[in-house]
Amino acid sequence: QKEVEQDPGPLSVPEGAIVSLNCTYSNSAFQYFMWYRQYSRKGPELLMYTYSSGNKEDGRFTAQVDKSSKYISLFIRDSQPSDSATYLCAMKSPAAGNKLTFGGGTRVLVKP
Amino acid sequence: NAGVTQTPKFQVLKTGQSMTLQCAQDMNHNSMYWYRQDPGMGLRLIYYSASEGTTDKGEVPNGYNVSRLNKREFSLRLESAAPSQTSVYFCASSARLAGLNNEQFFGPGTRLTVL
Repeated sequence: QKEVEQDPGPLSVPEGAIVSLNCTYSNSAFQYFMWYRQYSRKGPELLMYTYSSGNKEDGRFTAQVDKSSKYISLFIRDSQPSDSATYLCAMKSPAAGNKLTFGGGTRVLVKP
Repeated sequence: NAGVTQTPKFQVLKTGQSMTLQCAQDMNHNSMYWYRQDPGMGLRLIYYSASEGTTDKGEVPNGYNVSRLNKREFSLRLESAAPSQTSVYFCASSARLAGLNNEQFFGPGTRLTVL
């Protein structure tokens, strides 16, 4: 079983809809949680960074962490065609330095 | 400011051939990483270098070697390529190895096919 599970999608939504993405994990030592966006044929870029439990909002993006359930989410409001990409969750524990454990990624397609 | 650059962008090898993937960063970062990305597997860490002069194994190091040539450059070598090493390879760098808000910046990737 993978340490971090993520539905591969694809997830297809109409423009303006809310996109809901999530990951589950098994390692309770993870304390830092990240979401990366990866456009086709490009490298990942950091979108959101959350420490421990709680919510974090940045513009149209909201990241949620529920450590008791080992579950993290990313919501994209008012989705745009430019949000079409693969979204990767990643996490790390303090003991592992900066070594990230990634989910497999969810492909999102926002249709105009 | 180019960030993280990788060469080549594409490569096709035959089984048993060797090659070196090059990576350079111009952000004065101390730590550098090599990942591979396979469909549905996310990114998996091959090797990393906490600082100039040090390298350590990641999750999937078998079949690879690395060299931290200087602070800017970190190369990945395949001594005898195998079809299982067909993948997209990403180099990344960060200011340091540990700590909060220590973002890893990724290069554009090298697409490698081993026949």
